[in-house]
Parts: sequence; structure tokens; C-alpha cells
Amino acid sequence: QQQVKQSPQSLIVQKGGISIINCAYENTAFDYFPWYQQFPGKGPALLIAIRPDVSEKKEGRFTISFNKSAKQFSLHIMDSQPGDSATYFCAARRREKLTFGTGTRLTIIP
Amino acid sequence: GAVVSQHPSWVICKSGTSVKIECRSLDFQATTMFWYRQFPKQSLMLMATSNEGSKATYEQGVEKDKFLINHASLTLSTLTVTSAHPEDSSFYICSAPDHYEQYFGPGTRLTVT
Repeated sequence: QQQVKQSPQSLIVQKGGISIINCAYENTAFDYFPWYQQFPGKGPALLIAIRPDVSEKKEGRFTISFNKSAKQFSLHIMDSQPGDSATYFCAARRREKLTFGTGTRLTIIP
Repeated sequence: GAVVSQHPSWVICKSGTSVKIECRSLDFQATTMFWYRQFPKQSLMLMATSNEGSKATYEQGVEKDKFLINHASLTLSTLTVTSAHPEDSSFYICSAPDHYEQYFGPGTRLTVT
């Protein structure tokens, strides 16, 4: 049973545009929601994270929006750049264990 | 942020042999570490939780006798793939939590021929 659903599977955005990736979870016991960025052949790198008592968190060009009642959260990348082209994973944490979404392959085109 | 290292970064071995992968937390101590497996273009799948001073706990469907985990110290966990077969070829990644965050190693690419 997949506990974290992520969409879209792939996304193409023009340089300077906004990239939006969505995730939904089922288990209300999750207590922390990080996003990871992964380049080919590398380990995931923590991008930004949010706790469920906060509705939005912004760090530079990256923003997480969190809707606790809908059990959904999303990542917004403003002013998307070619260097942002990577695979993005949302995750949900319970007792230190992370459950990952299926990933979104983001491509930023000039 | 905290740094987690892995060694080796890639390894090729023959079918039937064993391979050991090391995971180290460089600037923090970790009583718990996690081992993941990632197939091409897929998500990370948790294999097991490594616990310092006690036995590892394995996720459902993971063979504990095939994937031996030892958490030797507060900064080192090892994963040994025993009697490796081509289907064990994958990208193995470890992680360690530091406060609320979890940090990942750079991964180890295992190819079994």
C-alpha cells in the first residue's frame, strides 16, 4: 500500500517559470514532510521540509504549501532554472522512518 | 547540514561473492541509520533500520540473511550483500537522522556480473 502519492511523474517547465509538484498522504501519524532533490547517480539531498502545524514554508525559490485537512502538500519552485532539472521526491516521516513518493522528473527547458 | 559518506561509491563483483558497503556519519553521531535500495527511475525503498548496539530491523520482504547489517559504532553502519546475484544489482543508499532532518549518503552502485 503506497502511503504517499506524488504527481506528476514528469514535468517540463520553461526557464523562469513555476514548477509545481504535488503529494498526498494517507497516514495522519506522519509528523514531518521533507522534499528531496536527486541528481542521476547521486544520493537525495534535503531541499526543504515542513511540519504539519505550518501551512507554508519558503526558502529562497522553494516553497512548501501544506494542507493538513486535505492531507496534501506541494513544492513550488519559482523562477525555475536549468540547474533545477533533477528528480524530486516528497516524503513523510513517522518515528524517524521516511516513506517516499514515487518521484517527479523535472526538466527545465531554455 | 550534516554529512553522510558511503564507501565504495561503486563496486562490481562476481555472482556468488559478498560485498560490504560502509556508511558513516561524519560530523554527528547516529544511533540509527537506514538502508535503502533504488532501482533505475524508481523511488527509494527502505530495506532496514540499523540500530547501534542491537540487531537491525528489516522491512517486510527483505531477506535478513542476505543483507547483513552491522552498526559497529555511533558513526558507522555496514551493509553486506551475501552471495550476490545479478538481481541484487542496484543503487544502495544509507541515511542517518540528525535532529528532525534525515541526511543521505551519496549512494553505492552495485553491479553483480
